[in-house]
Parts: sequence; C-alpha cells; structure tokens
Amino acid sequence: EIVLTQSPGTLSLSPGERATLSCRASQSVSSDFLAWYQQKPGQAPRLLIYGASSRATGIPARFSGSGSGTDFTLTISRLEPEDFALYYCLQYDRPPKYTFGQGTKLEIK
Amino acid sequence: QVQLQESGPGLVTPSGTLSLTCAVSGDSFSSDNWWSWVRQPPGKGLEWIGESHHSEGSNYNPSLKSRVSVSIDKSKNQFSLQLSSLTAADTAVYYCARSPNFCYCLDVWGQGTTVTVSS
Repeated sequence: EIVLTQSPGTLSLSPGERATLSCRASQSVSSDFLAWYQQKPGQAPRLLIYGASSRATGIPARFSGSGSGTDFTLTISRLEPEDFALYYCLQYDRPPKYTFGQGTKLEIK
Repeated sequence: QVQLQESGPGLVTPSGTLSLTCAVSGDSFSSDNWWSWVRQPPGKGLEWIGESHHSEGSNYNPSLKSRVSVSIDKSKNQFSLQLSSLTAADTAVYYCARSPNFCYCLDVWGQGTTVTVSS
C-alpha cells in the first residue's frame, strides 16, 4: 500500500509570499495518478491539480503542480488571502483505490 | 454544470447500517465516469470509501470492504452508499464525488452530509 506523507504539517506565510507544499509517496507513483486539493472549513475539497501538473477548470494560474516518482510539489506563486486553507494530495493506485495525504495547513503568519 | 447532493439520516445507531444517497444533476450514469464516496471524521483527514461504475462494477477501500456497498440507480440518476456494523469511529462528514474519464481524480464533490453514530 502506498502511503503519502505531506510536509510541512503547518506552513505559516504572509500574503504575497510563495508557498511550496510537498507530497512524498512511499513508492513510485505515476504522475497521471497524483492530484491536489484545497479545503476550507465547512466546505468540500476543491480539485486544484490533476495529473501532477494540470490545473483544473477555473483554478488561477498562481497554482502549479510538479514532480514525478515519489516527490510531488504544489506551488502557490503569490499567496492571496483566500488561499489560506488545508491542502491534500491524492493518489490513485491499483487495485483501484484512492489514498489521501494527511494534509498541510497553510496559515497566515 | 454537474452538481452532487448527498442525503440521508444524520444520526444512526451503533451496530446498524448507514444508507446515504447522492443525487446527480448535469451528468448521467451512461457516461464513462466513476462515482465515489469519501468521508472525513471530525478534525481529521479524508478517507476514500469506494466507487461504482454503471457497467464496470465497484471497487472498495480494503479497510472497509467487508462492510461497504456502493451502487448506482440509473432510473433515478443517483448512487448510494451502504455501510454496516457501525461504530463511533464511523462518525464523519460523508461526501459523494465524481471521478471523470479525463483523470484519476475526484473533480466534482457534493457539499457533504454529517453522520453521527450514537445511541
């Protein structure tokens, strides 16, 4: 079973700064199978990135995804106030199963 | 615009069975999508429960496989979750979600429904 470990657990930054969130897999993951989500309190997760680097419909260009193998990164180039939230990575594995990372909390410094 | 809406009881008794329904609008089960359930215990992370396809069958999280069933009702354009042998650990917000044919991801989510397991 592939385990996803996200780091850091909490990231404290100011609006306008660059955020770099990490998702590390315990085994190699196909880039096609890696996605990123944003979740705000009381809301459902929102798809940001799929296929490791493709932005979902309506997602601002300041969000970007990269990586391959076991190391994947979500980058937010310049933080807006509405970006402070929880972020999860998700991977698809076979036999068919989805697994989430434990999440990174992005908080205002 | 695809929309999903969960419905079901907010309170269920220990050892009982949870039944939730997800109504789908703006899409149909004739398309090549999979339909999933995900849950989130209070203050904790996300856990995928299982998925179903109109012709490919269903897949489940191995940790829940013995207790879970996901099925599709094409005539009502909805899909359902059944989870049996409930304990307090099953208390969570339950989300339904779509996995589209263009990615291995969950792109559209319902707003979630809170389920509490308690006597």
